[in-house]
Amino acid sequence: GQQVMQIPQYQHVQEGEDFTTYCNSSTTLSNIQWYKQRPGGHPVFLIQLVKSGEVKKQKRLTFQFGEAKKNSSLHITATQTTDVGTYFCAGGFKTIFGAGTRLFVKA
Amino acid sequence: SQTIHQWPATLVQPVGSPLSLECTVEGTSNPNLYWYRQAAGRGLQLLFYSVGIGQISSEVPQNLSASRPQDRQFILSSKKLLLSDSGFYLCAGTSGRAYGQYFGPGTRLTVT
Repeated sequence: GQQVMQIPQYQHVQEGEDFTTYCNSSTTLSNIQWYKQRPGGHPVFLIQLVKSGEVKKQKRLTFQFGEAKKNSSLHITATQTTDVGTYFCAGGFKTIFGAGTRLFVKA
Repeated sequence: SQTIHQWPATLVQPVGSPLSLECTVEGTSNPNLYWYRQAAGRGLQLLFYSVGIGQISSEVPQNLSASRPQDRQFILSSKKLLLSDSGFYLCAGTSGRAYGQYFGPGTRLTVT
């Protein structure tokens, strides 16, 4: 069945450093979605990408969808302590979630 | 806007007891609804999804079942809980007008 892999599993950064998480699918995806889950909370939808090669920005966050629509990335510029949490990608009709990347930011 | 309601927030149940978790949706009609389970520090495991009343697809063989008796109601049940059923249960929904899934606050279930 369809699988969505996400790396790294954990990332520790110093506040102000950049952060990137990568998402890879075993099959072509019709769309890719990104979510953020704060510690103790529930996932919150951030964005959806649908077009090959699409790039979208939300303030310090940049989202990319690969040309083959099988991979995606989320890049955070100059991390802040408010960025702490787990970032999930998800894709496909059943919205299969990756395992997530947990971001730790040290002030 | 769409809102997902779930209760209770936390639940402690003994092994072998039944379970019923309810999820209701506000602000949209005919949503696709999903039940996920999340183990501590782990990703989301899709358990069930529903595209309409009485239509349930099961993703993982297990001790749980789901029902959708009304358009905006989704219920997760078990006749006899196992220790391995412990986890964070999340209900989510989508509608034709919204991108992405909207999640409820979740229920933290501990089976003792």
